[in-house]
Amino acid sequence: GAGVSQSPSNKVTEKGKDVELRCDPISGHTALYWYRQRLGQGLEFLIYFQGNSAPDKSGLPSDRFSAERTGESVSTLTIQRTQQEDSAVYLCASSEGQYSNQPQHFGDGTRLSIL
Amino acid sequence: AQKITQTQPGMFVQEKEAVTLDCTYDTSDQSYGLFWYKQPSSGEMIFLIYQGSYDEQNATEGRYSLNFQKARKSANLVISASQLGDSAMYFCAMREVLSGSARQLTFGSGTQLTVLP
Repeated sequence: GAGVSQSPSNKVTEKGKDVELRCDPISGHTALYWYRQRLGQGLEFLIYFQGNSAPDKSGLPSDRFSAERTGESVSTLTIQRTQQEDSAVYLCASSEGQYSNQPQHFGDGTRLSIL
Repeated sequence: AQKITQTQPGMFVQEKEAVTLDCTYDTSDQSYGLFWYKQPSSGEMIFLIYQGSYDEQNATEGRYSLNFQKARKSANLVISASQLGDSAMYFCAMREVLSGSARQLTFGSGTQLTVLP
């Protein structure tokens, strides 16, 4: 498809389990971002990938969170030993590059619920 | 300090009227971009409009325009001729270039706009 694709769209899991979220960016977009949106709030930055450079992990809230991206393709966000405060919508975005005038295009998100 | 401030948690507007959603920002960078996104109840984030810090003219995209006042650090979104489909959460966001290596968007808390028939 033409847009950013995320899977699964919904994930319900028990506290303590690991989860893996997937993002497929727009073809040709070198920059990829993960954000978290808690209910009724704005988006919080988690991690950023630009081409083959080392990712910027400055937004990750704890060492239970990690993400990978192979080249300029699919990215996965992994949350280990999930806790109830991890419940949120996880949004992935991509942009053509890192310049300030390039908008980020978002996927529909993964709604994560921790029981 | 908040980087992006949206002081209106909720706004109502009559269909076909214009509405202004407020956004102020805080940055020491000279080069930055300001964005508005719309998030309907379905959850997707839809890019609406962009204003660059060096742009001298206010950005316009169809019924959306951005009232950019650089000295006051404000970037208000104006929606003209409101439609029922405009009912959504609206987020103002900033992308700094120099001080933020990640170039991530920093979002405000949003304004919930309801268009009344």
